Amino acid sequence: QITLKESGPTLVKPTQTLTLTCTFSGFSLSTSGVGVGWIRQPPGKALEWLALIYWNDDKRYSPSLKSRLTITKDTSKNQVVLTMTNMDPVDTATYYCAHSRRRWQPFDYWGQGTLVTVSS
Amino acid sequence: EIVLTQSPGTLSLSPGERATLSCRASQSVSSSYLAWYQQKPGQAPRLLIYGASSRATGIPDRFSGSGSGTDFTLTISRLEPEDFAVYYCQQYGSSPQYTFGQGTKLEIK
Repeated sequence: QITLKESGPTLVKPTQTLTLTCTFSGFSLSTSGVGVGWIRQPPGKALEWLALIYWNDDKRYSPSLKSRLTITKDTSKNQVVLTMTNMDPVDTATYYCAHSRRRWQPFDYWGQGTLVTVSS
Repeated sequence: EIVLTQSPGTLSLSPGERATLSCRASQSVSSSYLAWYQQKPGQAPRLLIYGASSRATGIPDRFSGSGSGTDFTLTISRLEPEDFAVYYCQQYGSSPQYTFGQGTKLEIK
């Protein structure tokens, strides 16, 4: 059974750096093809893909946010970490992590999401 | 960058009716790389369709996907009360890698 869960601060101040952790079970990020991605959703708005890391440490980023994002993995801990720098109120959103079973496959398992509010 | 445009923005139908949701891409999308998700309030999205027409595990057969190139469709043959939600299409094969559409809200008429 695959599960994912996001954790991190619920409130950050403008200009601060956000660090979110995705802790998962039921699969290994050392298995060939597997990937974990991050997606966010501002309140009442659409989904936006942010980043993705594969089993071989190949990393992909949304072009519009690439300069602010870093995605890393800790295979031994079954965790993926996303950092986003220079947070702004427009970054207020629910942040999800999700599993992809192979390269060029959609997200088939999602975490419950964590709401991050950016406010001074 | 491939932009996905979904229509209509809101679709009002009654249980038992047929729903047809559209997703149009700004450039051709390999039909192997188009997915549909369902999202209910307060919940994470759920994968319904991948590869344009393959149902994900556990998805009822009243959900079907079709299309190729730049035009894709999600059809719900007979709406059940639990089907009223927001639906998103996604392409996952071209840069940027995982573009989502803006969503279609399916509401009870």
